[in-house]
Amino acid sequence: AQSVTQLGSHVSVSEGALVLLRCNYSSSVPPYLFWYVQYPNQGLQLLLKYTSAATLVKGINGFEAEFKKSETSFHLTKPSAHMSDAAEYFCAVSPGGGSYIPTFGRGTSLIVHP
Amino acid sequence: EAGVAQSPRYKIIEKRQSVAFWCNPISGHATLYWYQQILGQGPKLLIQFQNNGVVDDSQLPKDRFSAERLKGVDSTLKIQPAKLEDSAVYLCASSSRLSPTDYTQYFGPGTRLLVL
Repeated sequence: AQSVTQLGSHVSVSEGALVLLRCNYSSSVPPYLFWYVQYPNQGLQLLLKYTSAATLVKGINGFEAEFKKSETSFHLTKPSAHMSDAAEYFCAVSPGGGSYIPTFGRGTSLIVHP
Repeated sequence: EAGVAQSPRYKIIEKRQSVAFWCNPISGHATLYWYQQILGQGPKLLIQFQNNGVVDDSQLPKDRFSAERLKGVDSTLKIQPAKLEDSAVYLCASSSRLSPTDYTQYFGPGTRLLVL
């Protein structure tokens, strides 16, 4: 079975500062990994995904994430936070081998201060 | 391109009542998903359809939840009877392929259910 741990239910940064949202996973098979963003009263939007190609994955809105197998991590970063980045972020893992049922983390709320 | 549509957006019912949610996926998307998102948690997959067939419903509480996608397009999720712990946001998503390596899930805005 797979699981996802997102460290920190809330992360607060100043506008222009580095954004780092942490995600650690466990999976018995090589995983597929995803980051989603959810704005208030909206559904989830895919930011980026790792599917066993390049370990550094670039997504939309300037976000990127690096797959580190040795650390079982897939942290999300952005060099400079914008006010519009304030939202809930979810990390998800889906095992390979023909099973595509995703498991989501509990989410991290990103707060951006002016 | 129109997104995933869901209705109603909000629903308040009393426990033991029945409720139904509707989802219309993006045109041409063969795969449809229903998720339950309880406050403070990530979404949990309830059921996955490929066209009008069920791919996986292992996490669907079948004693009270049912879902159908009769014509392979829109879908209905029903709860009968509802319990207090069913209070959540029910998200519908669709994608054009089954494999997560070459698809993107598009989510609807969700239906927020409150059971009193």
